[in-house]
Amino acid sequence: DTGVSQNPRHKITKRGQNVTFRCDPISEHNRLYWYRQTLGQGPEFLTYFQNEAQLEKSRLLSDRFSAERPKGSFSTLEIQRTEQGDSAMYLCASSSGGNQPQHFGDGTRLSIL
Amino acid sequence: KNEVEQSPQNLTAQEGEFITINCSYSVGISALHWLQQHPGGGIVSLFMLSSGKKKHGRLIATINIQEKHSSLHITASHPRDSAVYICAVLPTTGTYKYIFGTGTRLKVLA
Repeated sequence: DTGVSQNPRHKITKRGQNVTFRCDPISEHNRLYWYRQTLGQGPEFLTYFQNEAQLEKSRLLSDRFSAERPKGSFSTLEIQRTEQGDSAMYLCASSSGGNQPQHFGDGTRLSIL
Repeated sequence: KNEVEQSPQNLTAQEGEFITINCSYSVGISALHWLQQHPGGGIVSLFMLSSGKKKHGRLIATINIQEKHSSLHITASHPRDSAVYICAVLPTTGTYKYIFGTGTRLKVLA
């Protein structure tokens, strides 16, 4: 069991740049979730996929954010024209669906200079 | 008011002490998940429960669905238990996305 893998672990970039994160879920999991966590807070839902379909997006996900899961396996989260407020930990989780527990990756910490 | 509240927000204990972390929620849920987050950021699953009580090693989790409350207990606490403990609920309505508490930061002193 390789677990949920996220890359990179840490990304430092200048304001205005674009960044892309990758998440590789547990292989047999059809659901994939993206969450964002700011310092001292619990994670907040961003979006989720069932297979390749993006079924829900939070209002937190502005039009600068886009997520894809093209073949129903790995997913990418892209942030365009990054802003200071985008600095956070971006967490990915996967599950086999329904009420099954979500398994989390180690997250990607984004720091905007 | 948050839909999931945890208390305390911060907790410092001496090694060996019995620790209780509380989680209250205001929505109907199908399950509740206790998670542990270490400073590096990775989240580890501790328990998922929808009724009663679960035990694993020195950790015990209980839930009272009628009172909308869950507790996480750590017996004989150890410095390696130092972490942030997060309560996450799965609402009965919606799309199986977690609603998280803000976490309890635990520090166990040797």
